[in-house]
Amino acid sequence: DGGITQSPKYLFRKEGQNVTLSCEQNLNHDAMYWYRQDPGQGLRLIYYSQIVNDFQKGDIAEGYSVSREKKESFPLTVTSAQKNPTAFYLCASSIQVGRKAFFGQGTRLTVV
Amino acid sequence: GQQLNQSPQSMFIQEGEDVSMNCTSSSIFNTWLWYKQEPGEGPVLLIALYKAGELTSNGRLTAQFGITRKDSFLNISASIPSDVGIYFCAGLAGGTSYGKLTFGQGTILTVHP
Repeated sequence: DGGITQSPKYLFRKEGQNVTLSCEQNLNHDAMYWYRQDPGQGLRLIYYSQIVNDFQKGDIAEGYSVSREKKESFPLTVTSAQKNPTAFYLCASSIQVGRKAFFGQGTRLTVV
Repeated sequence: GQQLNQSPQSMFIQEGEDVSMNCTSSSIFNTWLWYKQEPGEGPVLLIALYKAGELTSNGRLTAQFGITRKDSFLNISASIPSDVGIYFCAGLAGGTSYGKLTFGQGTILTVHP
């Protein structure tokens, strides 16, 4: 099956721990995106990558880090510096910048 | 950064009614996308618009890319209960923000049978 896979669906972590969220796509897409969604809110852009080995900060990058070492993978690390990490995290990809983007199923992160 | 103002925030309608929602911005966008999200799931792409003035349909859904490139509209005709969900607009910027995909705040649609 082709698509965007985010794992796990639900993730629990203790406060102060870093946690890495996985996003893999087998669509041969160049561009990938990470968003955060809080209850009743829209999607806010954390980081985006136009091509492998390149990424840019979005609107709320503080407390997050990413890497893009492989075209198919764009992992997001939520660091202990992120003050309010509990949220629904969504990954998306598009064949190239400027084209339609498709989303994964999301990871719900709860920090206790 | 770019901001998208999406309205209305919520709509409560009867089955069979038509629905209209829109997004506006002070910035120009090169691409407009419309998504639907159901609880606990990722957004699903409904319509993609790539040219100013473009009007595109997908079944009962019709969307338009505003001629100024600063707005977009989504219409749903003859609504049915399964249209319930949150609808988001998204714009792809150019210039110094090339590649940045920004979302509106969403329109929550409730359809009463």
